[in-house]
Amino acid sequence: EAGVVQSPRYKIIEKKQPVAFWCNPISGHNTLYWYLQNLGQGPELLIRYENEEAVDDSQLPKDRFSAERLKGVDSTLKIQPAELGDSAVYLCASSLGLGRGGEQFFGPGTRLTVL
Amino acid sequence: KQEVTQIPAALSVPEGENLVLNCSFTDSAIYNLQWFRQDPGKGLTSLLLIQSSQREQTSGRLNASLDKSSGRSTLYIAASQPGDSATYLCAVKTSYDKVIFGPGTSLSVIP
Repeated sequence: EAGVVQSPRYKIIEKKQPVAFWCNPISGHNTLYWYLQNLGQGPELLIRYENEEAVDDSQLPKDRFSAERLKGVDSTLKIQPAELGDSAVYLCASSLGLGRGGEQFFGPGTRLTVL
Repeated sequence: KQEVTQIPAALSVPEGENLVLNCSFTDSAIYNLQWFRQDPGKGLTSLLLIQSSQREQTSGRLNASLDKSSGRSTLYIAASQPGDSATYLCAVKTSYDKVIFGPGTSLSVIP
């Protein structure tokens, strides 16, 4: 069974440019998460989807970040415009079932460098 | 507000030693706790998931325990191997559906 797929794996852009990350969760997983991980720290949740609904986006900087999960499967996270401080690893995870008890499975992440 | 800490931040042990990694959380109202490993430049690999009603989970050489009342979980690794070298993170799912990660413990197993 395929795991969580993310692309691209690496992205280098100049500040003020837009960037988008794509995630394909494990088949059948209703819940999808986007995390940001800075070097030497644990991941921080940006947004959580239950099917196509964003149920927790309280940590998403909505002035420049947006996300969508059309049809409740794939998801895209966008930053526009990117800032130097956005350099980090962006991780996608998914879990089976709605909400609380599910084990999370992570993709390999996208390493973003903003110059 | 839930806070998760992991001590020590880094650990170096000789191959074959048994070791314990610690995870502490401030709010005992959790749904579950999950342990992950992360290799450099890679995503997180799930090791063990403990539901709030459980006391421990085992997988091979790994054993994770959970004591909600004291806000602690431990990950026990038996007979450590160089391949166990990685960063180990714990994450709690709170009663208000937040997932909070600790900062991780970087483990080096020396051959």
